Amino acid sequence: RKEVEQDPGPFNVPEGATVAFNCTYSNSASQSFFWYRQDCRKEPKLLMSVYSSGNEDGRFTAQLNRASQYISLLIRDSKLSDSATYLCVPRGDTDKLIFGTGTRLQVFP
Amino acid sequence: DAGVTQSPTHLIKTRGQQVTLRCSPKSGHDTVSWYQQALGQGPQFIFQYYEEEERQRGNFPDRFSGHQFPNYSSELNVNALLLGDSALYLCASSSGTGTYEQYFGPGTRLTVT
Repeated sequence: RKEVEQDPGPFNVPEGATVAFNCTYSNSASQSFFWYRQDCRKEPKLLMSVYSSGNEDGRFTAQLNRASQYISLLIRDSKLSDSATYLCVPRGDTDKLIFGTGTRLQVFP
Repeated sequence: DAGVTQSPTHLIKTRGQQVTLRCSPKSGHDTVSWYQQALGQGPQFIFQYYEEEERQRGNFPDRFSGHQFPNYSSELNVNALLLGDSALYLCASSSGTGTYEQYFGPGTRLTVT
């Protein structure tokens, strides 16, 4: 089983839509989780940190289900600028971050 | 507040050569991690430096080595370059204690011909 699994997409949604990405992870000992967004050929940028059951920041909501080893990201009222690849990243031993290949989102007018 | 900086931005090398990449962490951070990102893949952890020591290492050969300086900046060295080493090399900084959030620099794009 891969350490992190995400649907690669692409998810093509119209502006204003609500979209959700799912992520499963294999290491049950992971304590911290991060969502990064990455634009084409750019560095990953930290979008949200999740240390307990979830987190909300404006249009973005993350939910963590430790029993199922599953984390989700919900984006409400999608904007064109939300188009990017979204990476679900559990924190492994010490500070090691474990990246999957991410989910690509394309928001169209 | 300066973020994470990396140099150079782009680099072209030939097989068998050696390369050194540089990273300066975000102000207030003391830990530097290096990642390799091949096209279409997520970043892969190479190693991490804290207090000038390699604290953890990913599944990369000994051709990949690093160093951290007293001012927390870091270098990544790759010897005997292979075509497969062509990738975006990312440096991320964090605080050794606390939230463990990592912030990435813009990366160095290495092309090996």
